[in-house]
Amino acid sequence: DAGVTQSPTHLIKTRGQQVTLRCSPKSGHDTVSWYQQALGQGPQFIFQYYEEEERQRGNFPDRFSGHQFPNYSSELNVNALLLGDSALYLCASSLEGAKNTEAFFGQGTRLTVV
Amino acid sequence: QKEVEQNSGPLSVPEGAIASLNCTYSDRVSQSFFWYRQYSGKSPELIMSIYSNGDKEDGRFTAQLNKASQYVSLLIRDSQPSDSATYLCAVKWDSGTYKYIFGTGTRLKVLA
Repeated sequence: DAGVTQSPTHLIKTRGQQVTLRCSPKSGHDTVSWYQQALGQGPQFIFQYYEEEERQRGNFPDRFSGHQFPNYSSELNVNALLLGDSALYLCASSLEGAKNTEAFFGQGTRLTVV
Repeated sequence: QKEVEQNSGPLSVPEGAIASLNCTYSDRVSQSFFWYRQYSGKSPELIMSIYSNGDKEDGRFTAQLNKASQYVSLLIRDSQPSDSATYLCAVKWDSGTYKYIFGTGTRLKVLA
């Protein structure tokens, strides 16, 4: 049973550049959420995708955008990178309508902005 | 006021002891609660979920929920050095929202 997979695992970008992170949900899951985790902090919710639509967004600027594809995989795009965007980006998948709303995380993408 | 609070630690316990991790949250209706373990440099791994008042046991782990007092705890029995990690508490308000709110995590050190 394939778990949540993310790519790439590590990334170094220059300030002002754009980046795309990718996520494939756990087999059988249809909902994808993205989180940002700064060092020493808990994950912060960026947004969630279900049925190819963003249905909830956290307190992140419009530079953060996403997409969900028909196969439920998802992308997170960040434009005009700032040094403060350096963090671990986590994708979590879950199944809509499941009795237990458990979310499972991928291994994360470590983004460093220089 | 933060919605989910945890003591950052570190909490140090000797090998074989019981580790008790606590989490408090602001009052909302119909919450779901989760404990994640995160090793340094890795992603969070789901350990336990709990949805109703009382205790829920899974192996060496027991989650305890008390909605009246607004806290959820995680007990780790027979603690092992491999349990040394950061433990994240997460809360999901079931009504009208889909996001998890995480605490900052408690760092646990199990001393051999």
